Amino acid sequence: QSALTQPPSASASPGQSVTISCTGASSDVGAYNYVSWYQQHPGKAPKLMIYEVNKRPSGVPDRFSGSKSGNTASLTVSGLQPEDEADYYCFSFADNHNYVFGTGTKVTIL
Amino acid sequence: EVQLVESGGVVVQPGGSLRLSCAASGFDFDDHTMHWVRQGPGKGLEWVSLINWDGSSTYYADSVKGRFTISRDNNKKSLYLQMNSLGTDDTALYYCTKDGLLGFHLDVWGQGTTVIVSS
Repeated sequence: QSALTQPPSASASPGQSVTISCTGASSDVGAYNYVSWYQQHPGKAPKLMIYEVNKRPSGVPDRFSGSKSGNTASLTVSGLQPEDEADYYCFSFADNHNYVFGTGTKVTIL
Repeated sequence: EVQLVESGGVVVQPGGSLRLSCAASGFDFDDHTMHWVRQGPGKGLEWVSLINWDGSSTYYADSVKGRFTISRDNNKKSLYLQMNSLGTDDTALYYCTKDGLLGFHLDVWGQGTTVIVSS
């Protein structure tokens, strides 16, 4: 199972928006609405931000939103805050009960 | 408070074996599928394995299939990962994670335990 493809980096100024793509295949992202997104600050465990493509867990700001089209899922962070600077990973259920992470995207606040 | 605490990470020689443990608290452990996820030094996240609520179904990433075995003891609220034939590529921080109630995402993570495979 190959890792899902994410851009290595993304950046924007405070208050602006950034969108991160996550491209998979018809056997994972394209086949199931089970894409989730995780935020990881340096030295910390990942934190769930979005699940089932576009659902937010309790406590996650509504500045975070998710979507999917075909084999590509996306995470958008609107109204960027300094604390949003982190690594972000997508994660998808795949055929044969496999799971696969994305390659990760480092978001920088300019 | 929902909590996962991993233990068992050490320095081990190539070809060696190791058993990781994860102690769960604050939730109904036997209601949830559990996973192991790892992260090599300076690398991204890699899904390793999952076990369903009663241990009857297990799945593995191709990179560990045949070498690692996941198991659980619901009476002890504990998750395990038996790791055999370890190679340097297995060097990583290993996270114990909990599946959301409806599955397919990881809603609680431990802080991880470090495994270093080195001679």
